Order: sequence, then structure tokens, then C-alpha cells
Amino acid sequence: GENVEQHPSTLSVQEGDSAVIKCTYSDSASNYFPWYKQELGKRPQLIIDIRSNVGEKKDQRIAVTLNKTAKHFSLHITETQPEDSAVYFCAARSPGNQFYFGTGTSLTVIP
Amino acid sequence: GAVVSQHPSWVICKSGTSVKIECRSLDFQATTMFWYRQFPKQSLMLMATSNEGSKATYEQGVEKDKFLINHASLTLSTLTVTSAHPEDSSFYICSANYPGTLVEQYFGPGTRLTVT
Repeated sequence: GENVEQHPSTLSVQEGDSAVIKCTYSDSASNYFPWYKQELGKRPQLIIDIRSNVGEKKDQRIAVTLNKTAKHFSLHITETQPEDSAVYFCAARSPGNQFYFGTGTSLTVIP
Repeated sequence: GAVVSQHPSWVICKSGTSVKIECRSLDFQATTMFWYRQFPKQSLMLMATSNEGSKATYEQGVEKDKFLINHASLTLSTLTVTSAHPEDSSFYICSANYPGTLVEQYFGPGTRLTVT
């Protein structure tokens, strides 16, 4: 099956700085890559996604890039705010529509 | 957006008993649902793919006889943890694929299972 790795596991940034989280995947047939934000005890919330036919996507302060050749994708959060503090997960969708998650990044934005 | 519910939201059971968790798609029909387990401070681990009208597909290492999945209708999948043990205590989350060209995944709110 698909194997998704995510780095770093923890990340602390000063408010206003940028945060970058990186993921790699193993199955070249995976075709959809969402990013989720999860607060303690709650369901994951989709924050941005990218499909395999696109290299970059941006939504206000959040952007995602995808390098299909290298099989890695990254989440970029600019002008971070304290409310951005949470655990972030990347995921890759296999051709069978199963979603495989990265190990998660605990982001702390220091006011 | 689409809504997926889970019931119960939390449950405490004694070791050796069985617990059933329901996952419902409230405003759409889902031919496929997924079950995940999440231990504290860890990632979501895909347990199985639940297919309406057929047997579930389990991920490697997941005991199909312990985690029984039934997808009897297009809006309901159930996960039964049989003969639960303390190590089964976890956060169980289901998700459903929204049909159509934009295949998005919607998560249920999760069920916190504690086995004493």
C-alpha cells in the first residue's frame, strides 16, 4: 500500500513567520493530496488539497506544492497566527480511493 | 457540505465485551466508507474500506475477525469491536466518499472507545 512520510513532527514559529511542512509518498499512482488540520479530540478538517495534474495551489495564507517526479508535496502557511496552532496531516489518495495519512506535524505559533 | 455522523461519540466498555460504532452519511449516499483508528498523538491509520453490499477490505495487520464491518445500506456502515481489550482503546473515525467527479472525503466526528 501507500506509505506517506511527514516532516517535521513538531514545529514552532513566531507569529507572522512562515511554516512549511513536507510530505513524501511512495505510490506514483496516488492522484490526490489533501492537507488536514486537526484539533484535539475532533475530526480532521480539510484546509487545502491538490490534484496530481497541478503543481501548486494557493488559498489566501495557505499554499500547497506538488512535485510528482520526486513524489513529494508541501504545505506552506504564511503570516502565521496563534489560531493556526494545531496538528496538521498530509494524505495521499490511492487509485482505490483509500486515503493514507502522514504522521502529523504539531504546529505551535508563538504570539 | 456533506455531513457524516457517528454514534456513539464516546463509549466505555469492559474488557471482553463487544462494542458497535455506527457511521452514517446524512445527506448523500456513500457506496464506500472508511474506518480509521487514531491513538493519542498519532496519525490516522486506515483500518478497512467498507463497501456497500460486499465484504470489507482490511488493511494489512488489521484483524478482520476482531473488527467486524458491515455496510448494509448506502448510508450506514458499522464497526464492531469484538472481545475488546484495553489496547483497543482509541479514537475511531469513519469517513465517506462523496460521489461525483470531485471525490472528496468527509469525516465523522469520531468515537472515543475506552476499554476497562
